[in-house]
Amino acid sequence: DAGVTQSPTHLIKTRGQQVTLRCSPKSGHDTVSWYQQALGQGPQFIFQYYEEEERQRGNFPDRFSGHQFPNYSSELNVNALLLGDSALYLCASSLRSSSTDTQYFGPGTRLTVL
Amino acid sequence: GESVGLHLPTLSVQEGDNSIINCAYSNSASDYFIWYKQESGKGPQFIIDIRSNMDKRQGQRVTVLLNKTVKHLSLQIAATQPGDSAVYFCAERPNTNAGKSTFGDGTTLTVKP
Repeated sequence: DAGVTQSPTHLIKTRGQQVTLRCSPKSGHDTVSWYQQALGQGPQFIFQYYEEEERQRGNFPDRFSGHQFPNYSSELNVNALLLGDSALYLCASSLRSSSTDTQYFGPGTRLTVL
Repeated sequence: GESVGLHLPTLSVQEGDNSIINCAYSNSASDYFIWYKQESGKGPQFIIDIRSNMDKRQGQRVTVLLNKTVKHLSLQIAATQPGDSAVYFCAERPNTNAGKSTFGDGTTLTVKP
């Protein structure tokens, strides 16, 4: 049973560029949430996708956008990259109908913006 | 705004001792609390959760205590092992089916052999 997978593992971009990160949820899960984790801090919620729609959003600018596909996989897009976007981006999947909607995290994508 | 914080950024214990990691939260409306363990280079791993209608929940070698009066949460690890060395985060949600989890900044647990 595959857990949550993310790609790529590491990514280096320059300011102003755009990036796309990918996530495949744990088998049987239908909901994907994205988090940004700066070095030495806890993860910060970006947004959540369910039934191919953004259902909740944290305090992130419109430069951050996402998509969920019919197979429940998801992408996170960040436009006009800033140095401050350098972080570990985590994807978490869950099953909406479960009693606690426990989120299972992937290993993350380490984004470095130069 | 809501925030979740841990009392100590680092904790060092001897192998075999019990560990207690504390967390304070500010949102009195929080209904669901989760503890995660994050090892270097990995994503957070679910350890145990507790709903606001409970004050204690036990798992394998771990116990979570919730004190809603003072908005305090703790994670107790029995017989701490070197493999328990990691960063521990508490997180809260307004209810069990709300996606957004609000995380604290973590406590780094180091287990000395």
